[in-house]
Amino acid sequence: QQQVKQSPQSLIVQKGGISIINCAYENTAFDYFPWYQQFPGKGPALLIAIRPDVSEKKEGRFTISFNKSAKQFSLHIMDSQPGDSATYFCAASAHTGGFKTIFGAGTRLFVKA
Amino acid sequence: DVKVTQSSRYLVKRTGEKVFLECVQDMDHENMFWYRQDPGLGLRLIYFSYDVKMKEKGDIPEGYSVSREKKERFSLILESASTNQTSMYLCASSLNRGGQYFGAGTRLSVL
Repeated sequence: QQQVKQSPQSLIVQKGGISIINCAYENTAFDYFPWYQQFPGKGPALLIAIRPDVSEKKEGRFTISFNKSAKQFSLHIMDSQPGDSATYFCAASAHTGGFKTIFGAGTRLFVKA
Repeated sequence: DVKVTQSSRYLVKRTGEKVFLECVQDMDHENMFWYRQDPGLGLRLIYFSYDVKMKEKGDIPEGYSVSREKKERFSLILESASTNQTSMYLCASSLNRGGQYFGAGTRLSVL
């Protein structure tokens, strides 16, 4: 019940295309859903996050779509660029959960020029 | 900008050595975390702390301990390093109900 399932494991997208990464969770107590971007040799960086009171959040080319009833959320990267090539992690946490964050297994994105 | 600084980028230690990994954050965050990251296994939580002198076990605490004597500093200790502790170690900090900010990581090799 604590897991966050992320798919796909890897993704190849043409430059200018849309990259879509999906995550699903079981624990309905989760109330914060961040996405992290990690480049090789670096720590993960907070990219964008959403709380379950909204269904979508957009920041530049990055959009989170959130479906509370299906317990799913996804990251959309519009106009994908080679510089977006990185590993992306979805995550979930609950304010009642002792501040622990549960991470998905990660998606390695490669954007072809 | 939040800054989380890990004391070493690379460390090479011998089996049985006591190893200290240090982490400092400059944004007065209440919560601090230690993870290890291994290929195919994602991020696994070792320990976290939500206040000075407080600590909670994560998912894989065996073989590790932590210390948080000051709010800005969270140390990870490998009491007797073993080869299966060769990994990338990541420190993070956060406010309550917020995203985590990670350091650049320490790549530890235990020979």
